[in-house]
Amino acid sequence: AQSVAQPEDQVNVAEGNPLTVKCTYSVSGNPYLFWYVQYPNRGLQFLLKYITGDNLVKGSYGFEAEFNKSQTSFHLKKPSALVSDSALYFCAVSALYNFNKFYFGSGTKLNVKP
Amino acid sequence: DAGITQSPRHKVTETGTPVTLRCHQTENHRYMYWYRQDPGHGLRLIHYSYGVKDTDKGEVSDGYSVSRSKTEDFLLTLESATSSQTSVYFCAISEENEAFFGQGTRLTVV
Repeated sequence: AQSVAQPEDQVNVAEGNPLTVKCTYSVSGNPYLFWYVQYPNRGLQFLLKYITGDNLVKGSYGFEAEFNKSQTSFHLKKPSALVSDSALYFCAVSALYNFNKFYFGSGTKLNVKP
Repeated sequence: DAGITQSPRHKVTETGTPVTLRCHQTENHRYMYWYRQDPGHGLRLIHYSYGVKDTDKGEVSDGYSVSRSKTEDFLLTLESATSSQTSVYFCAISEENEAFFGQGTRLTVV
């Protein structure tokens, strides 16, 4: 079975500070991992993905994520937060062998204060 | 928004009535999905399709049915709407290793 856990409902950070949004996963076989962002009243937008290769993945808007197989984690990071980064962030896992279904975490609300 | 259109965008309906939500894609992707989004639950998979007339249940399929008679259209039907089905519904498409989402349909069952 596949599952994703986002342990923090909300993360608060000051503008200019680094941010981390945590994600851990459980999956049979090799994981395909994703981060999506959702702004109010919008659909989900793709940020980045890990399929294979380098454990540090760079994505849109200066975000990056680090895949850690031993800890089954895929934390989202950004060196310097912007107020405009405030949104709802979802971690997801999928598997091609399982009809490419995506399983999502419960979401983490990121608040970046000026 | 990757060529995905959901209709309607908003709907209010009464308990016990049938409701159909439509997802239309212009990308010719094989996989299509219906999710519902509720606070504290993230997105939960209702049904998915891996081709025309090939569909299967997700984790919260009770009370929902789907149909896919053409590659581009994936319909979600609530047979008899209940208040617990008040939610925001998202359609997604996928081909390889990335999913693209529609803008969502906000459904309220009163």
